[in-house]
Amino acid sequence: QKEVEQDPGPLSVPEGAIVSLNCTYSNSAFQYFMWYRQYSRKGPELLMYTYSSGNKEDGRFTAQVDKSSKYISLFIRDSQPSDSATYLCAMIKAAGNKLTFGGGTRVLVKP
Amino acid sequence: DVKVTQSSRYLVKRTGEKVFLECVQDMDHENMFWYRQDPGLGLRLIYFSYDVKMKEKGDIPEGYSVSREKKERFSLILESASTNQTSMYLCASSLTGQGAAGYTFGSGTRLTVV
Repeated sequence: QKEVEQDPGPLSVPEGAIVSLNCTYSNSAFQYFMWYRQYSRKGPELLMYTYSSGNKEDGRFTAQVDKSSKYISLFIRDSQPSDSATYLCAMIKAAGNKLTFGGGTRVLVKP
Repeated sequence: DVKVTQSSRYLVKRTGEKVFLECVQDMDHENMFWYRQDPGLGLRLIYFSYDVKMKEKGDIPEGYSVSREKKERFSLILESASTNQTSMYLCASSLTGQGAAGYTFGSGTRLTVV
C-alpha cells in the first residue's frame, strides 16, 4: 500500500466550476502538506503549503487538512483553462527534508 | 530566472550504456534530490544529498548512483541503462530547514532507453 494515495483522474470540468482534489495518507508522522502544480513538460511548482489542520486560502485556491482523518484537499474556485495541469499532493515528516508524493491528478478545464 | 537547470530535456540511450544526468542549482541550496516520475506512480525518490560528497539512498536506488563534488551540482548516473529506466527524471533542491516549502524543481529530463 502506498503511503499517499491520490486519484489519477483525469478530472474534466467546465470553465468556472470548482475543482476538488484530495489525497489520503497512512502515516501519522506527516506534518507538513503541500500541493504542487505541474504543467506538461515542466517540473512541479509549489502551489500551497500548510501545516496545521484546517483551511488555508490563497486567491482562488483553498487547501484543507484533516489530520484526524489523514485526508487533505485542494479546491480551485472559478477554474480557468490555464488551471489545466497535473496536481500533486506531497507531505513531509517533521524531521527530515524528504517529500513523499501522491501519484498526481490530471485536471482539464474546458472553455 | 532559471534556478535549477537539468542539462538535457530529452535523451535516447541504448541498453547497457552508462548515462549521466546533470543538475545545477544557483541558489546555494544544501539539499539536492533526484526523483523519477512515472504515470500512476508519481514522483519516487532515487537519491538525495545534504552536503557536498554526501549522499543517501532514497526509495528506489537500485541501478543508480550519484555524485556531488560541488555544492551546486548533483549528478545521477545510470551504471548500465535498462529499458525499465525509461522515465522522466526530476532534480530538485532545497535549503535546510525549509524542506517543507522550499523545494525547487528543474524542468526534467525525459530519458528513453532502447
